[in-house]
Amino acid sequence: DAKTTQPTSMDCAEGRAANLPCNHSTISGNEYVYWYRQIHSQGPQYIIHGLKNNETNEMASLIITEDRKSSTLILPHATLRDTAVYYCIVRVGGGAQKLVFGQGTRLTINP
Amino acid sequence: DSGVTQTPKHLITATGQRVTLRCSPRSGDLSVYWYQQSLDQGLQFLIQYYNGEERAKGNILERFSAQQFPDLHSELNLSSLELGDSALYFCASSVAVSGRSNEQFFGPGTRLTVL
Repeated sequence: DAKTTQPTSMDCAEGRAANLPCNHSTISGNEYVYWYRQIHSQGPQYIIHGLKNNETNEMASLIITEDRKSSTLILPHATLRDTAVYYCIVRVGGGAQKLVFGQGTRLTINP
Repeated sequence: DSGVTQTPKHLITATGQRVTLRCSPRSGDLSVYWYQQSLDQGLQFLIQYYNGEERAKGNILERFSAQQFPDLHSELNLSSLELGDSALYFCASSVAVSGRSNEQFFGPGTRLTVL
């Protein structure tokens, strides 16, 4: 699985958009970008994933650069409940594949 | 609520003991994964089962073992426990079907404390 690089921590004001970057310069053509988050000591929560195109769901948007070497997770209107560690993971999408977690980005939403 | 259940929530035991952690996957999910999260190691993959068979192994100690039963629930057995085994243990499940996105859904975890 390709290695990812994320900032250790970020802050964002409540109500503003939180933009979390991730670098994955060694990503292969068949690897997807997945985002999970972990709120305090709860189980990690799936947020979104994508291959090439930008993706949006009820939780977030995922913007993947054209060369696929980096991506940005966007939480459009951050709330205090979005305070969590966010993990960017690159892996092959199909079948049953383990997740390899890095250190992630600790996002703090400030009132 | 992810649909994945884990029991017990908390477990306190002594060094040298053996414990069993239980996981019930989401309805319809065939694959179960076990992860360990300790303060110094972060989230680490231990082992994966698919429809009753071991599919992949990560950094799982020989003192640890797991199995997945015909009803698809899984158990993680930890024996000869050491202080360093104190951690959060998460179970996750996915449909694990080729062509599907196969995101994993995590349970709430079992917090193991070895004294």
